[in-house]
Amino acid sequence: NAGVTQTPKFQVLKTGQSMTLQCAQDMNHEYMSWYRQDPGMGLRLIHYSVGAGITDQGEVPNGYNVSRSTTEDFPLRLLSAAPSQTSVYFCASNKRQNPIHEQYFGPGTRLTVT
Amino acid sequence: ILNVEQSPQSLHVQEGDSTNFTCSFPSSNFYALHWYRWETAKSPEALFVMTLNGDEKKKGRISATLNTKEGYSYLYIKGSQPEDSATYLCACYNTDKLIFGTGTRLQVFP
Repeated sequence: NAGVTQTPKFQVLKTGQSMTLQCAQDMNHEYMSWYRQDPGMGLRLIHYSVGAGITDQGEVPNGYNVSRSTTEDFPLRLLSAAPSQTSVYFCASNKRQNPIHEQYFGPGTRLTVT
Repeated sequence: ILNVEQSPQSLHVQEGDSTNFTCSFPSSNFYALHWYRWETAKSPEALFVMTLNGDEKKKGRISATLNTKEGYSYLYIKGSQPEDSATYLCACYNTDKLIFGTGTRLQVFP
């Protein structure tokens, strides 16, 4: 199993550009989520999904869109990038929406918005 | 959104020292407490998932305890080694999502 994969690893955008961060998992996990990591802030939840076709907002959803058309994929879209979105983005998955299931994280995408 | 706090923010210890740090969370509507280890340039990896008051879990030299009534968990590392250097994150389950603390960054010097 590849686990949780993310592409790209690095990306530089100009303010106003749009892009999609890709996330995929091959563990048949129902639950997937996106976090951003900023210095001194830990991991903050952006959006999450409890299954295909269902998404919901986390702590910091503004400026981001998500969709979940398949169990495997959970892309994160930045519609109009802003410098405040410079961050490291982690995708995570776990078996199902159950507090006892640990999360598996992807390798991260480092995004810089100039 | 519930508030998960970790202390200290950072810790520097000598090889062989034992150390511990704290995770505080709201005690009401508690579901589960997770601990993750996050090495530099890698992804967070789960250490423990704890659900019951009084729970104790151990993995090698690392152990954790949970007090859900007062809303805290301790992570202990016995005889710290340089390879223990990492950020240790705790996270509390809130209804349907996992909320993370800001982490404790541990550096172990030889």
